[in-house]
Amino acid sequence: QKEVEQNSGPLSVPEGAIASLNCTYSDRGSQSFFWYRQYSGKSPELIMSIYSNGDKEDGRFTAQLNKASQYVSLLIRDSQPSDSATYLCAVFDRGSTLGRLYFGRGTQLTVWP
Amino acid sequence: ETGVTQTPRHLVMGMTNKKSLKCEQHLGHNAMYWYKQSAKKPLELMFVYSLEERVENNSVPSRFSPECPNSSHLFLHLHTLQPEDSALYLCASSQDGQGASYEQYFGPGTRLTVT
Repeated sequence: QKEVEQNSGPLSVPEGAIASLNCTYSDRGSQSFFWYRQYSGKSPELIMSIYSNGDKEDGRFTAQLNKASQYVSLLIRDSQPSDSATYLCAVFDRGSTLGRLYFGRGTQLTVWP
Repeated sequence: ETGVTQTPRHLVMGMTNKKSLKCEQHLGHNAMYWYKQSAKKPLELMFVYSLEERVENNSVPSRFSPECPNSSHLFLHLHTLQPEDSALYLCASSQDGQGASYEQYFGPGTRLTVT
């Protein structure tokens, strides 16, 4: 069973601060990694994909991947109250037949004004 | 909008009813998925269809029956459900295969309540 672990939080940061969300995974062979944002009562929304070691930046979001440490993170700069949501880490595993995503339990983020 | 639609958005059904959930993707993807999300629990993958081949999760009760008539449409047929089946049911799609991104895009979900 592939495992994806996230700090459950809740994580609470003030507006304008950097929010740091962390995720570890068990399968060293994983190649594709994703961050989803899920507002309460809504479906998950893909916000970042990362496939190679290093940083990937998209606006206020930066995903960081370290395959040797089996660690992926998401940084949110200049956090806004609208960033308050649950963030899900997902790891793709190709498997023997069809691929699938393994999701963590999510980290709840609250950004207070 | 992600290009994945689901109907109905809300469904209340008795334990003896039969109903179906519908999903349609307009992204040209070749893989579709059903997930279950219960309160305080992680997303649970129920079924995967890729190139219309089904991979069945053996832990899904037989009262859930998927159908994928083509690469754009996915159904989840429900019968004789239990109250613990009340959850948010999510459909997703992705492009599978060599060189694909494997990014999955979710529909808005169907909130199911079993009474």
